[in-house]
Amino acid sequence: ETGVTQSPTHLIKTRGQQVTLRCSSQSGHNTVSWYQQALGQGPQFIFQYYREEENGRGNFPPRFSGLQFPNYSSELNVNALELDDSALYLCASSSMDGTSYNEQFFGPGTRLTVL
Amino acid sequence: GDSVTQMEGPVTLSEEAFLTINCTYTATGYPSLFWYVQYPGEGLQLLLKATKADDKGSNKGFEATYRKETTSFHLEKGSVQVSDSAVYFCALLHGGATNKLIFGTGTLLAVQP
Repeated sequence: ETGVTQSPTHLIKTRGQQVTLRCSSQSGHNTVSWYQQALGQGPQFIFQYYREEENGRGNFPPRFSGLQFPNYSSELNVNALELDDSALYLCASSSMDGTSYNEQFFGPGTRLTVL
Repeated sequence: GDSVTQMEGPVTLSEEAFLTINCTYTATGYPSLFWYVQYPGEGLQLLLKATKADDKGSNKGFEATYRKETTSFHLEKGSVQVSDSAVYFCALLHGGATNKLIFGTGTLLAVQP
């Protein structure tokens, strides 16, 4: 069974640029959640995709957007990058059945640095 | 809104010492509670969980009990090892249609030989 993978591992961008981060969910999982972890902080929920539809969003501006594909992999897009967007971006996959919690399995993250 | 507060670190212990990392929460309803561990350069791993009041989660010698009366979920281990050095996050599952985790700020544990 393949775990959650993310690409790229590291990324350096400049202010105003756009970035796309990718996540492959674990086999059999239909839900992907994205979290932002600033240095020295806990992860903050960005949004979640369930069966290709957005299923909840945290307190992040619209320039943070996402997609989920039919194979349940996902992308996180950030437009007009700001210095404060520098963080570790974590993807987590799970298999929601709508009735109970199912464990979220985290990928290793993508470290984004905005200069 | 829902939130998690955990003791600030770093916590520095000698090998075989007793560990406690405090965690309290604020939430409506009856959340599930979790401890995650993050080793340097890695993502998050679920350490243990408890889904209802008085449940005790345990794994790899770590334990935490869901205390509804004190809204707490303190992490304990009787004898820490150098390999336990990591950042520990307390988290709760936000109720509702979204399977969203709310994390504390993390506690760095450093265990010295």
